Amino acid sequence: QQQVKQSPQSLIVQKGGIPIINCAYENTAFDYFPWYQQFPGKGPALLIAIRPDVSEKKEGRFTISFNKSAKQFSLHIMDSQPGDSATYFCAASRRTSGSRLTFGEGTQLTVNP
Amino acid sequence: DTAVSQTPKYLVTQMGNDKSIKCEQNLGHDTMYWYKQDSKKFLKIMFSYNNKELIINETVPNRFSPKSPDKAHLNLHINSLELGDSAVYFCASSQDFGMRLIEQFFGPGTRLTVL
Repeated sequence: QQQVKQSPQSLIVQKGGIPIINCAYENTAFDYFPWYQQFPGKGPALLIAIRPDVSEKKEGRFTISFNKSAKQFSLHIMDSQPGDSATYFCAASRRTSGSRLTFGEGTQLTVNP
Repeated sequence: DTAVSQTPKYLVTQMGNDKSIKCEQNLGHDTMYWYKQDSKKFLKIMFSYNNKELIINETVPNRFSPKSPDKAHLNLHINSLELGDSAVYFCASSQDFGMRLIEQFFGPGTRLTVL
């Protein structure tokens, strides 16, 4: 059973566009929602994360929007750049010791020059 | 300085062989993980150790055995390798700060190919 569903699977935008990646979760016990960025041949790296007590978090060009009642959250990338081309994973977990990250399926983002 | 390192980066082997992947973190973290990323890039946790104690053991075949000699190391040994074991294996680490957000730091991955 996939507890975190992510869409779209792939996304192509032009430089300067605003790609949006969506995730939905099922487990209401989740209380930590990070987004990871992965470049080819590298491990995932934390991009931005949010707790369910806030509806939005912004760090630079990256924004997470969170809708607790709908159990959905999304990543927006403002003024996207070719260097943002990567695979993006949403995830969810509980903020307890050794908590497992349950990942979405990933979105391959391509930003064309 | 590499925070989470894995060796080897690439591993090509025959079916039925036994192999090990090593992981070391120099972040002083107390929790380490193994994840498997399949050909569709789906990431799934396999194991987690906290202070050398196994705390997460997902539905993974018994052929996979993690070993943590100390807090900074978590190795993965795989017996009787099968074709379906081909994947990229990531080690990760994190530090438990109670209820603070817990960032996991990932290693560069080990691409295992079973022929």
